[in-house]
Amino acid sequence: SAVISQKPSRDICQRGTSLTIQCQVDSQVTMMFWYRQQPGQSLTLIATANQGSEATYESGFVIDKFPISRPNLTFSTLTVSNLSPEDSSIYLCSVEDHGGANWETQYFGPGTRLLVL
Amino acid sequence: KNEVEQSPQNLTAQEGEFITINCSYSVGISALHWLQQHPGGGIVSLFMLSSGKKKHGRLIATINIQEKHSSLHITASHPRDSAVYICAVGLYNTDKLIFGTGTRLQVFP
Repeated sequence: SAVISQKPSRDICQRGTSLTIQCQVDSQVTMMFWYRQQPGQSLTLIATANQGSEATYESGFVIDKFPISRPNLTFSTLTVSNLSPEDSSIYLCSVEDHGGANWETQYFGPGTRLLVL
Repeated sequence: KNEVEQSPQNLTAQEGEFITINCSYSVGISALHWLQQHPGGGIVSLFMLSSGKKKHGRLIATINIQEKHSSLHITASHPRDSAVYICAVGLYNTDKLIFGTGTRLQVFP
């Protein structure tokens, strides 16, 4: 299994500023995912972050708005830039664990709750 | 139409009741996940299924690949089971998950 921590757990930010969210995993993982969950909505994948390469963004998400770093196999950051109230969401980091016997599961971080005023 | 549909959207139950949450999907999948999201936002992975049935404590998950349908059952429900339960499918041959909108469960004592 993988244990994931995120910082900060919550924040209140002013519009126009940026917030960087950190995701730390207790084991080395190849693929890390960043999700957004807007109020009352399900999770939406923002991007996939592989170590040593640029993140792959989903439709509707761009690097200028959501720059991602993946400096090593246990850590990633997501920055939400030029904040607006519409960015108020829970942001979740997730990893995929390829365990033994050819099975895999997803582990999620505790989430970062962002409110933009 | 969403690729992953859950029902019901909201569910209330009395402590001790048997609960069923349903998930239907319309895409080819490699696996289906049941997740539990607590009020603070944290998500716990409950099950990953590619066929058949799994049981963990009072939780049972089943999947019918032919019918593209899965169910999550909670036996002897308890107020601490109150959470949002999310069905997510892993798209075949990719690492991406598609999420249902969740079922909000409240269990009252």
